[in-house]
Amino acid sequence: KAGVTQTPRYLIKTRGQQVTLSCSPISGHRSVSWYQQTPGQGLQFLFEYFSETQRNKGNFPGRFSGRQFSNSRSEMNVSTLELGDSALYLCASSSFVGQGETQYFGPGTRLLVL
Amino acid sequence: SQELEQSPQSLIVQEGKNLTINCTSSKTLYGLYWYKQKYGEGLIFLMMLQKGGEEKSHEKITAKLDEKKQQSSLHITASQPSHAGIYLCGADSGGATNKLIFGTGTLLAVQP
Repeated sequence: KAGVTQTPRYLIKTRGQQVTLSCSPISGHRSVSWYQQTPGQGLQFLFEYFSETQRNKGNFPGRFSGRQFSNSRSEMNVSTLELGDSALYLCASSSFVGQGETQYFGPGTRLLVL
Repeated sequence: SQELEQSPQSLIVQEGKNLTINCTSSKTLYGLYWYKQKYGEGLIFLMMLQKGGEEKSHEKITAKLDEKKQQSSLHITASQPSHAGIYLCGADSGGATNKLIFGTGTLLAVQP
């Protein structure tokens, strides 16, 4: 099976702009989670989707949003970009939701905000 | 809230040497995952442990979860340059969610 794919792999934006990142899960997986990774904060949970419904949300401002489509593909959007949004954004997919469900990560999208 | 502490933060070993990375949780672990990350890339799943005292091995990597389910260790035998990278432990946060709480990571360098 193909792994989790994320597009684009790299992005450069300026402050105030918005950005949309895309994630295609492993075929058959219905749950997608998003994480932000920075040197200072490490890996932090953004949100989680299952069957087009947001199941959980991390402690991020409302500028961060996401959605999931009927084919399980997911997008996350960041509006009014700030310098601190520069990070590696990772998405992970799993078959279902719950403890013990292994999540498989994509290669990430590296976002640089200037 | 749950916190995971990894030690050491970084490690340099000579090729062929054994090493151990530890992950300690502030709360009981219900699911503990080990991932490896090459710098700037995605996480590669290594192993998942759930039961107290559980031990799993894959090739030269062995992971253990202690009986009290608050500490896990990752042991690499006869390290190789291909083992270099960042090792991260992640814990199920509990409940009907896939949210993982991650440790700060351990950077491993293997000198040929």
